[in-house]
Amino acid sequence: DAGVTQSPTHLIKTRGQHVTLRCSPISGHKSVSWYQQVLGQGPQFIFQYYEKEERGRGNFPDRFSARQFPNYSSELNVNALLLGDSALYLCASSLDGGNIQYFGAGTRLSVL
Amino acid sequence: GNSVTQMEGPVTLSEEAFLTINCTYTATGYPSLFWYVQYPGEGLQLLLKATKADDKGSNKGFEATYRKETTSFHLEKGSVQVSDSAVYFCALKVGSGGGADGLTFGKGTHLIIQP
Repeated sequence: DAGVTQSPTHLIKTRGQHVTLRCSPISGHKSVSWYQQVLGQGPQFIFQYYEKEERGRGNFPDRFSARQFPNYSSELNVNALLLGDSALYLCASSLDGGNIQYFGAGTRLSVL
Repeated sequence: GNSVTQMEGPVTLSEEAFLTINCTYTATGYPSLFWYVQYPGEGLQLLLKATKADDKGSNKGFEATYRKETTSFHLEKGSVQVSDSAVYFCALKVGSGGGADGLTFGKGTHLIIQP
């Protein structure tokens, strides 16, 4: 069975641009969470979606948004990119948003 | 709020040495505790977990015991191998089943095992 898949694997953008990152959860999982991992730090929670509804939000500005589709895949959108948005963005899926979360390999975003 | 503190790295050990990576936490509720491992260029893999006090999580020779009285979840392994070289993250989650909060991670400990 496929694990959590994320696309693209790498992305380079310039300040002020917009970016969309994509995530497909493990088959049968209905919850997707997004995390930002800045180099040398632990991941920081951005959003959790369950059954296409936002269930939780971390301490991130409104430039960050997400949605979950009927097939449970998800998109993370970031507007007006800043240099500080450069990071590895991780998607995690779980059956119901519970304790066991499985992570994808991430999308590495570089903002120049 | 919730937070996780783990020992700073890098931690450098020789093969077959005993490993301890310290982790302590603060939480607003009753958390579940986790250790994740991240190999170079990869995402995070769940290594082990414990959901209540005195539970011991174990996997691949690694162990950690949920100590509520000391709010700790230290990771141990009796004999490390070169292949254990990675970054290890301690994490907690309060609530389950569609809870509003995601995982709260420590900063990570880079473990280097020398042959």
